[in-house]
Amino acid sequence: DAGITQSPRHKVTETGTPVTLRCHQTENHRYMYWYRQDPGHGLRLIHYSYGVKDTDKGEVSDGYSVSRSKTEDFLLTLESATSSQTSVYFCATDTGDSNQPQHFGDGTRLSIL
Amino acid sequence: GQNIDQPTEMTATEGAIVQINCTYQTSGFNGLFWYQQHAGEAPTFLSYNVLDGLEEKGRFSSFLSRSKGYSYLLLKELQMKDSASYLCAVRQSGGSYIPTFGRGTSLIVHP
Repeated sequence: DAGITQSPRHKVTETGTPVTLRCHQTENHRYMYWYRQDPGHGLRLIHYSYGVKDTDKGEVSDGYSVSRSKTEDFLLTLESATSSQTSVYFCATDTGDSNQPQHFGDGTRLSIL
Repeated sequence: GQNIDQPTEMTATEGAIVQINCTYQTSGFNGLFWYQQHAGEAPTFLSYNVLDGLEEKGRFSSFLSRSKGYSYLLLKELQMKDSASYLCAVRQSGGSYIPTFGRGTSLIVHP
């Protein structure tokens, strides 16, 4: 396994507060991804990173920002959380090779009241 | 862009065979992945296809037809533990290989 740790695993917070989710990997994978998973929508890409300080937007990036200051850490920040951002968030990593699968963390369940 | 379609839900009987289909439309193709996701857990990798044909891995097989934009996952000798969501993901060719996921198929296996 790619050794991916997400923290926190669960969080409840209020609308308008900032929230940061952390993803830590121990496999030295080049690519890291943040997805959200909602009923009826499957996994949707928020942002991804292809190296330290190299990030790009996914299909649902509005309201989210990311940072990658070290190979092993990828942070997802909700600057001002809204109820529509209540979801399960998954971090994933891979080597960047097209024939290699992604490895997923255990997810963070985020509830915004 | 990409469009990936899977059935939302399927049911099957323990011991039977089930086929989960995935169709895709993409401007370039560079591989298709199947993942299994049990409720409340992370997706885990099942299979990879990049060339036409069947890839067999124990009770699970995956088939690809690039000309038809079509894949299926075949599960044999179904067990109760196979009740899960099955996700199809496609990597595009050219530039980044960022995969796009279908919405997943929820498989319910009953006795």
